[in-house]
Amino acid sequence: GESVGLHLPTLSVQEGDNSIINCAYSNSASDYFIWYKQESGKGPQFIIDIRSNMDKRQGQRVTVLLNKTVKHLSLQIAATQPGDSAVYFCAETYTGNQFYFGTGTSLTVIP
Amino acid sequence: NAGVTQTPKFQVLKTGQSMTLQCAQDMNHNSMYWYRQDPGMGLRLIYYSASEGTTDKGEVPNGYNVSRLNKREFSLRLESAAPSQTSVYFCASRKPGPYEQYFGPGTRLTVT
Repeated sequence: GESVGLHLPTLSVQEGDNSIINCAYSNSASDYFIWYKQESGKGPQFIIDIRSNMDKRQGQRVTVLLNKTVKHLSLQIAATQPGDSAVYFCAETYTGNQFYFGTGTSLTVIP
Repeated sequence: NAGVTQTPKFQVLKTGQSMTLQCAQDMNHNSMYWYRQDPGMGLRLIYYSASEGTTDKGEVPNGYNVSRLNKREFSLRLESAAPSQTSVYFCASRKPGPYEQYFGPGTRLTVT
């Protein structure tokens, strides 16, 4: 099966600092990557996505970077807020129907 | 607009019992998915339906069956529950084009 892994299972940051969450993927054929946020007791919620023909994509306070050479994906959250505390998952697909999720990184924002 | 809804929210089964998890979406999406999430792990795809009338196996289909009843509804059935199926089950849907999936709130299933 596919292997989508995260480098760090937990991350703690001070409120107002920037957060960086990393993800490694194994399938070089994957052409689409997504970051999801999952709050306790809820389903995952879409944050941002990026196609393999891009290196960087920005959203509101979030930026996703894709390095295809080393098969690495990162999510940067600017000015992290307490409401950002959650588990963050990356996911990849190369079929558009089969999605493979990483194990997740738990982000804790310290007020 | 309720999005993706799942019933029940919680369920406890004994080994060997059967049950059906229900999922419905009101966003007119073509594709629907069933995932399971185990502690400390990401989501794993059980089955998906790319369109009404079609279903396909995902990464972990053994022990499950699905039915795409119509465009709105996609159910997951456990014919003979096993403790290894204790998990949180998420249903999701997706519109054509972007690969963003919309997830339901999940069903927490315990098999004793």
